Amino acid sequence: TQLLEQSPQFLSIQEGENLTVYCNSSSVFSSLQWYRQEPGEGPVLLVTVVTGGEVKKLKRLTFQFGDARKDSSLHITAAQTGDTGLYLCAGAGDNYGQNFVFGPGTRLSVLP
Amino acid sequence: EPEVTQTPSHQVTQMGQEVILRCVPISNHLYFYWYRQILGQKVEFLVSFYNNEISEKSEIFDDQFSVERPDGSNFTLKIRSTKLEDSAMYFCASSASIWSETQYFGPGTRLLVL
Repeated sequence: TQLLEQSPQFLSIQEGENLTVYCNSSSVFSSLQWYRQEPGEGPVLLVTVVTGGEVKKLKRLTFQFGDARKDSSLHITAAQTGDTGLYLCAGAGDNYGQNFVFGPGTRLSVLP
Repeated sequence: EPEVTQTPSHQVTQMGQEVILRCVPISNHLYFYWYRQILGQKVEFLVSFYNNEISEKSEIFDDQFSVERPDGSNFTLKIRSTKLEDSAMYFCASSASIWSETQYFGPGTRLLVL
């Protein structure tokens, strides 16, 4: 069974600060996705990383896939209150694209 | 921008009743999925569906659950006899192909079993 862990579980920071959240596993994933979920809504895709060592940037968000494709990080530069939310990582399991394993999420609060 | 839609947004039912949750995946997508999220817990995979048949299912997806693509656009999840522990958000997702790395999620149906 492939499991994803995320850390920290909760993070509260001031607007303008930088932060990094982590997604780790002992298993290799064919790809990793980062989603953001608002309360009562579905996960919204932020990015997909596929290649080990891959770095993708989405405005102030930088995503990295570990070289061994077992872990990933999300770095936010100069956080804004609008970044508040639950950040989920999800890995494509043994069968490509068929079975996503989700991490428990990091709940981020950005305070004004 | 194409999106996955789900109906109803909320469903309240009595224990033992049947419920059908509906999804309209993105139109040119070929793979469809159901996930659930119990309040305060992580998103869990239920089932994937391709070419009019189940391709993979989790331990959660027991005989009380079934999926169907009754026409060219809808994808449904049926729970035959609901239990209290079926109360959760149910998310539908779709992806373009079997090799797609990306699944797009609908807004979810909140199911409450009383």
